[in-house]
Amino acid sequence: QSALTQPASVSGSPGQSITLSCTGTSRDIGAYNYVSWYQHQPGKAPKLMIFDVSKRPSGISDRFSGSKSGTSASLTISGLQAEDEANYYCASITSSNTFVFGGGTKVNVL
Amino acid sequence: EVQLVQSGAEVKKPRESLKISCKGSGYSFSTYYIAWVRQMPGKGLEWMGIIYPGDSDTRYNPSFQGQVTISADTSISTAYLQWSSLQASDTAVYYCARPGRPYSSSSFDLWGPGTLVTVSS
Repeated sequence: QSALTQPASVSGSPGQSITLSCTGTSRDIGAYNYVSWYQHQPGKAPKLMIFDVSKRPSGISDRFSGSKSGTSASLTISGLQAEDEANYYCASITSSNTFVFGGGTKVNVL
Repeated sequence: EVQLVQSGAEVKKPRESLKISCKGSGYSFSTYYIAWVRQMPGKGLEWMGIIYPGDSDTRYNPSFQGQVTISADTSISTAYLQWSSLQASDTAVYYCARPGRPYSSSSFDLWGPGTLVTVSS
């Protein structure tokens, strides 16, 4: 199975909004509303930020929002903060009943 | 407290075998899938496979099928990831992860701290 496609990096200044893209296929993102997003900071375990395309787990700031259109998904971070600097991974269930991550996007806060 | 506790770091030689563990506590272990995720040095997350401890139903990423074995022991609420013959390319951090809902495998909201496996001659 091929990894979902994410840009290597996205940068923004504090207070700005940035959008991370995630491109899949009709066999993963396009097939189900089960896109999730994970924040991964060095030395820590990954953290679920968005599930089921646009739902936020308890305790996750509403500055994080998710959406999907066709075979692509997006994560928007509003009011960018220094603490948001991390790697972000999108993920989806696949039609083979497996799970696939994207290659990851490094968010840089300038 | 709901948590996943993983076994400690391992240093092994090529061709050695290894079994690492992930113990769940604070919830009904049998009713939640457990997945294993690899992160090689400087690389991204890779989903390796998943097990439903209740009936041991297991699915693998085709890239890992035959390379590792995932198992679980519900009597001690522990899932395992094992290798019969390690290679240097198995050097990585391995995370176990649990979905947020029972019987679901669509996203993972509980993660273990990771187990660093180093394979070197």
